Amino acid sequence: AQSVTQLGSHVSVSEGALVLLRCNYSSSVPPYLFWYVQYPNQGLQLLLKYTSAATLVKGINGFEAEFKKSETSFHLTKPSAHMSDAAEYFCAVNFIGNEKLTFGTGTRLTIIP
Amino acid sequence: EPEVTQTPSHQVTQMGQEVILRCVPISNHLYFYWYRQILGQKVEFLVSFYNNEISEKSEIFDDQFSVERPDGSNFTLKIRSTKLEDSAMYFCASTGGLAQQFFGPGTRLTVL
Repeated sequence: AQSVTQLGSHVSVSEGALVLLRCNYSSSVPPYLFWYVQYPNQGLQLLLKYTSAATLVKGINGFEAEFKKSETSFHLTKPSAHMSDAAEYFCAVNFIGNEKLTFGTGTRLTIIP
Repeated sequence: EPEVTQTPSHQVTQMGQEVILRCVPISNHLYFYWYRQILGQKVEFLVSFYNNEISEKSEIFDDQFSVERPDGSNFTLKIRSTKLEDSAMYFCASTGGLAQQFFGPGTRLTVL
């Protein structure tokens, strides 16, 4: 069955430390993959996307993600966390042949001063 | 930059009442979607709409829900008889067919 999993509902990192948010998908065909960020009481903002071009994708606010087909993963990273990165992050997948986006359960990122 | 807009930003209604949530997708987009997010939970797909008809819907999208594109710009979600469990943030999205969906800011629906 096609699914998307985000490991870690809550992640805390110190300001300036590496941010790593995990996303794995289950599908026989590589899908399109997205990371969205949601700040409190706001909508969904696209951070970055993978649509079968370069496997290392750079997004806004210094975030990047690498598509690894062998690991069926699309983990989100940022070398140095900033206080403004505190938010909820959602991995979303567009499985080929489906129109909809399937979202992971989200990871709440807390930045420790 | 073009964006998806939604009105109202917050809707409070009594259980059993009908509500209509409105969305204006990006003007040259052809595919439209509604998602919902119950407080503290993940975003869930409700329905997709293309060429003036529903192309896919989830099990959440039962007979109480309907969608319409009444004119060339608006895309609406109607809930005929709201239940307490319909309280959620409802997001509209649109795409021109290049996989990326653009989301509106959402309408927070509170059913009392």
